[in-house]
Amino acid sequence: NAGVTQTPKFQVLKTGQSMTLQCAQDMNHEYMSWYRQDPGMGLRLIHYSVGAGITDQGEVPNGYNVSRSTTEDFPLRLLSAAPSQTSVYFCATYRGNTIYFGEGSWLTVV
Amino acid sequence: DAKTTQPPSMDCAEGRAANLPCNHSTISGNEYVYWYRQIHSQGPQYIIHGLKNNETNEMASLIITEDRKSSTLILPHATLRDTAVYYCIVRVATSTSGTYKYIFGTGTRLKVLA
Repeated sequence: NAGVTQTPKFQVLKTGQSMTLQCAQDMNHEYMSWYRQDPGMGLRLIHYSVGAGITDQGEVPNGYNVSRSTTEDFPLRLLSAAPSQTSVYFCATYRGNTIYFGEGSWLTVV
Repeated sequence: DAKTTQPPSMDCAEGRAANLPCNHSTISGNEYVYWYRQIHSQGPQYIIHGLKNNETNEMASLIITEDRKSSTLILPHATLRDTAVYYCIVRVATSTSGTYKYIFGTGTRLKVLA
């Protein structure tokens, strides 16, 4: 099993561009989340989903959109990239008492 | 949402116990406390969790105060490989009945010294 797969792993964007970070899981978990981690900082929750068709905002949702049309996929869209969105993005699924993280996506906005 | 507060950094001598504190004074009665750690920039890894009682597993022990306002993660014999950032996390209920989300704190950077 692949677990949680994030793409791309690295991306450089220009200010104002839009892009989508992809997250796919093969564990049939209902719960999925997106976190961002700024240098030297902890993880902050951007958006989360408790099942297909259900999404909600986390701690820092501004500038990001999500959708959950299938159980497997939970893409994160940056609508108009800003330098403040330079960060490492982690997708996660969870079931019971365990969170499963992807390997992270390094995003730089110039 | 319940928040957690942790010291930003700690040092521990190799072979000694590492005691990492966490304050979660606003936690509600049904919210669990979890500990994860992150080595370099990898995804965080599960260590242990608890609600009210103290817990122990092969990696660590978790001591939760009776009023549940704080907890301590104990690594009984720290090794160099335990150098990492340790996160105290609260699992909180969401607006959708029966579901939950995980809120991370800022973490403690533990450095184990040879």
